[in-house]
Amino acid sequence: DQQVKQNSPSLSVQEGRISILNCDYTNSMFDYFLWYKKYPAEGPTFLISISSIKDKNEDGRFTVFLNKSAKHLSLHIVPSQPGDSAVYFCAASAYSQGGSEKLVFGKGTKLTVNP
Amino acid sequence: AAGVIQSPRHLIKEKRETATLKCYPIPRHDTVYWYQQGPGQDPQFLISFYEKMQSDKGSIPDRFSAQQFSDYHSELNMSSLELGDSALYFCASKLRGYFGNTIYFGEGSWLTVV
Repeated sequence: DQQVKQNSPSLSVQEGRISILNCDYTNSMFDYFLWYKKYPAEGPTFLISISSIKDKNEDGRFTVFLNKSAKHLSLHIVPSQPGDSAVYFCAASAYSQGGSEKLVFGKGTKLTVNP
Repeated sequence: AAGVIQSPRHLIKEKRETATLKCYPIPRHDTVYWYQQGPGQDPQFLISFYEKMQSDKGSIPDRFSAQQFSDYHSELNMSSLELGDSALYFCASKLRGYFGNTIYFGEGSWLTVV
């Protein structure tokens, strides 16, 4: 059962345009969400996060929107640059029964920004 | 700033051999996570430790074991290796203080089982 879903395996946009990456989740216990960027054979790099008490968080060119009622979040990159080309993972966090916190990842969306 | 350090970065083992991966968390981080990412797969949670105690367990095979030491570094031991164990193994760390503290990942250790 995939609790975090990224339904688009790939996305291609032109340099300078907006990239919108989407993520849906099913577990209502998730209350912290993160986006990671990953290049091949490297570890995921933290990009931006949002707490469930917010509906928007912005950091430079990156903005994450959260719609709790729809269990949906999205990452907007404006303007997109060729260096943004990577796989983007959506991750959700919740405390487990043992009191620890772990991340559940989506399958990732490969973003290609064309010059 | 210091990041999560993993070693070795690449490892080749034969079937039925054993392998040990090491993880050195960011200084002062007290929580360590292990994830496995197979080819074309999303990262899957294996196990986590907080203050040297196992705090959560995911899809870790019984052939695998892990521990966190007094200096907070962690080791993932894999025995009776199978071809399907070939994957990128990530370690991540965080400071468990308040909810939402970001989890940071290492570069990963590539394990190839032949």
